[in-house]
Amino acid sequence: SYELTQPPSVSVSPGQTARITCSGDALPKRFVYWYQQKSGQAPVLAIYEDSKRPSGIPERFSGSSSGTMATLTISGAQVEDEADYYCYSTDTSGNPLFGGGTKLTVL
Amino acid sequence: EVQLVESGGILVKPGGSLRLSCAASGFTFTNAWFNWVRQAPGKGLEWVGRIKTETEAGTTDYAAPVKGRFTISSDDSKNTLYLQMDSLKNEDTAVYYCTALVGAAFPYEYWGQGTLVTVSS
Repeated sequence: SYELTQPPSVSVSPGQTARITCSGDALPKRFVYWYQQKSGQAPVLAIYEDSKRPSGIPERFSGSSSGTMATLTISGAQVEDEADYYCYSTDTSGNPLFGGGTKLTVL
Repeated sequence: EVQLVESGGILVKPGGSLRLSCAASGFTFTNAWFNWVRQAPGKGLEWVGRIKTETEAGTTDYAAPVKGRFTISSDDSKNTLYLQMDSLKNEDTAVYYCTALVGAAFPYEYWGQGTLVTVSS
């Protein structure tokens, strides 16, 4: 079955750039979305349609996609960015699918 | 203000049934796609299923692990979404979130706070 693959964890120091990847064979033909989920809270949309940022999301969050890999970049990561991040796309049937999630640690 | 409020999560025995509700407000209910997403304790997000707008015949789609056991429906007169869960298994234990994609277009997507379903004997 189709999967979206993310690294389980990424760790950076405050002010550094964090990059979280998401790979999937169908990504060249699909948009990718990114969600941020802080502990005990519902997920929040951070990036949509590969690289667009919803209102209210800080400019340090950006997204890109090339070939079978999409990347969420947090430029100058802050302590408050510490969270789980999930990529989201659709499978070959058009059904939604989440990646396994990446725990971002900023310390 | 858009609000989605889930309810109905309880402790239920394996093989049992349960219906979750999601009360929506702050947008045109019939103009949204709705999804159910779940998260098992300490695990990642898992899409469960969705229902599209009436203009798309209210089509429903389901993830493989729940297909044939779960049913999504809506009551437009009550602005409420439902998830009927039958033949529940231990692995269905999770927080269940409803989400609304207004106008079927990002970024107008909203999430509820979730309701916990525990399946255990």
